[in-house]
Amino acid sequence: GESVGLHLPTLSVQEGDNSIINCAYSNSASDYFIWYKQESGKGPQFIIDIRSNMDKRQGQRVTVLLNKTVKHLSLQIAATQPGDSAVYFCAENYYGGATNKLIFGTGTLLAVQP
Amino acid sequence: DGGITQSPKYLFRKEGQNVTLSCEQNLNHDAMYWYRQDPGQGLRLIYYSQIVNDFQKGDIAEGYSVSREKKESFPLTVTSAQKNPTAFYLCASGHKAFFGQGTRLTVV
Repeated sequence: GESVGLHLPTLSVQEGDNSIINCAYSNSASDYFIWYKQESGKGPQFIIDIRSNMDKRQGQRVTVLLNKTVKHLSLQIAATQPGDSAVYFCAENYYGGATNKLIFGTGTLLAVQP
Repeated sequence: DGGITQSPKYLFRKEGQNVTLSCEQNLNHDAMYWYRQDPGQGLRLIYYSQIVNDFQKGDIAEGYSVSREKKESFPLTVTSAQKNPTAFYLCASGHKAFFGQGTRLTVV
């Protein structure tokens, strides 16, 4: 079936440490993946994306890694700050028939301890 | 400013009533999406539209309806057939799914 899931529902890190949030996806046909950050009561915000023809992509303090062999996606946040505390979602762009749609995982709560 | 706007931010519905949630975007995006989010949960796809005058059911379309008469607008109607409509509703547009700020619907 089609699904995107996360290994860790809650991740607690110390301020200044690096954070790694993991995500598993099941659809080999998905060609595009996105990480979102959602703060309480707000809509998800785009963080970074990666296409299936890439293994790694870096942004400001964030890096996304894609391992197509094991269908695994991760988001690395360097020098985690209190403002990074939020729920993080991965999403895959899935092609089903003539259309494509974004499927979201359950989410991981990142709690940054000062 | 370009963006995606959902209204209202909070909505209260009596049992048996239909309500319509608004979603407008001026980003010139073809694709638009509606998701439902329950407390502490992920996003579940209700309906999506890749182009004007066309839309497809998502994973939890029962009890909901949409229309896509204009590129800028993708309203969602929560009908009385939706047995548990209390949730946070999120609209998004574009390939990278830029989200609105959501509508929190409560049945009273």
